[in-house]
Amino acid sequence: GQQVMQIPQYQHVQEGEDFTTYCNSSTTLSNIQWYKQRPGGHPVFLIQLVKSGEVKKQKRLTFQFGEAKKNSSLHITATQTTDVGTYFCAAANYGGSQGNLIFGKGTKLSVKP
Amino acid sequence: DGGITQSPKYLFRKEGQNVTLSCEQNLNHDAMYWYRQDPGQGLRLIYYSQIVNDFQKGDIAEGYSVSREKKESFPLTVTSAQKNPTAFYLCASSSGGTLLTYEQYFGPGTRLTVT
Repeated sequence: GQQVMQIPQYQHVQEGEDFTTYCNSSTTLSNIQWYKQRPGGHPVFLIQLVKSGEVKKQKRLTFQFGEAKKNSSLHITATQTTDVGTYFCAAANYGGSQGNLIFGKGTKLSVKP
Repeated sequence: DGGITQSPKYLFRKEGQNVTLSCEQNLNHDAMYWYRQDPGQGLRLIYYSQIVNDFQKGDIAEGYSVSREKKESFPLTVTSAQKNPTAFYLCASSSGGTLLTYEQYFGPGTRLTVT
């Protein structure tokens, strides 16, 4: 079945350093979503990318969707302790019923002050 | 959170007992989902429902059952047949759609411990 691979699994950074997580698929994706889960919390939707080559920014966060729509990345500039958490990508699974998402395993970010 | 409530937050059960986790939403969403989260495993889909009185198995449905009698409610029963029920269970909903996948809103989760 469709899978999305997310790397790295863990990332430890010093506050102020940049951070990037990558999401890859062997199949072309119709769209991709990104979620953030704080420690002890629940996933919260960040953004959805739909178009080939799309780039969206939210303050220090930059999201990209690859030209072939098979990969995506989330980049955080100058991390802060508030960025701590696990970041998940999720892709639509059209092998099943519409509206179903396939989640990557997530990248857990820790930030040392 | 954000219109989705799950109760209780923590649940303890003895092995061999069935247990039902509650999920209610007031977002008027058509679609609802149950996920299981284990450390390092991400989110795995148990069941989902796109409309009242209809639901579909996800990737790990064995040992679980659901019902969708009302639009607002999607309870999950963890049966004694589930081999490793201890986990963090997350309920989510979305407005659904025919062409695009809409964002999912998650509840605060229920942490189930079975001993």
